[in-house]
Amino acid sequence: AQSVTQLDSHVSVSEGTPVLLRCNYSSSYSPSLFWYVQHPNKGLQLLLKYTSAATLVKGINGFEAEFKKSETSFHLTKPSAHMSDAAEYFCVVWRGDTGRRALTFGSGTRLQVQP
Amino acid sequence: GAGVSQSPSNKVTEKGKDVELRCDPISGHTALYWYRQSLGQGLEFLIYFQGNSAPDKSGLPSDRFSAERTGGSVSTLTIQRTQQEDSAVYLCASSSDRGATDTQYFGPGTRLTVL
Repeated sequence: AQSVTQLDSHVSVSEGTPVLLRCNYSSSYSPSLFWYVQHPNKGLQLLLKYTSAATLVKGINGFEAEFKKSETSFHLTKPSAHMSDAAEYFCVVWRGDTGRRALTFGSGTRLQVQP
Repeated sequence: GAGVSQSPSNKVTEKGKDVELRCDPISGHTALYWYRQSLGQGLEFLIYFQGNSAPDKSGLPSDRFSAERTGGSVSTLTIQRTQQEDSAVYLCASSSDRGATDTQYFGPGTRLTVL
């Protein structure tokens, strides 16, 4: 079975400083991994996805994530936080086994950006 | 273009009543998913439809929950004899279901409150 663990429920950074949101995955085979963002009272939006084409994945709004098989990690980073990045972030694995195409979500990390 | 839409955006009901939640997927998307987001359980998969195949109902929490998808497009999630623990945001997503590279696009959700 596939699962993801988000290591921090809350992260607080200052505007202009780097962002690191940590995610470890568990999978019996090479997974498809995603990061989604949810702004307050808004729908879920895909930030980026890893599907084995390249281990460093670039997403929208300057975010990127690196798939590290040896560490079973898929951490989300951004060089410089912006106030508009304040939101909840979900690390997600795709249950790709036959007939089970649903996403399994991590518990979420709430990112606060201080001025 | 139009995204996934859901109605109503908010629904307040009394314990024991039935409710219907509607999802309009992106035109042309063959796969449709329902998820539930609640404080205690996070984001969890409920049911998945793909074309004319039998739906994957493995995430439905009880037999009070059912869903149908008419004409391969609009879907309705029905909760019978609602309970307070059913209070949550119900999210619908659709995708073109090409496999691991697929992106699920989420609607804004229906916030259900059971009094």
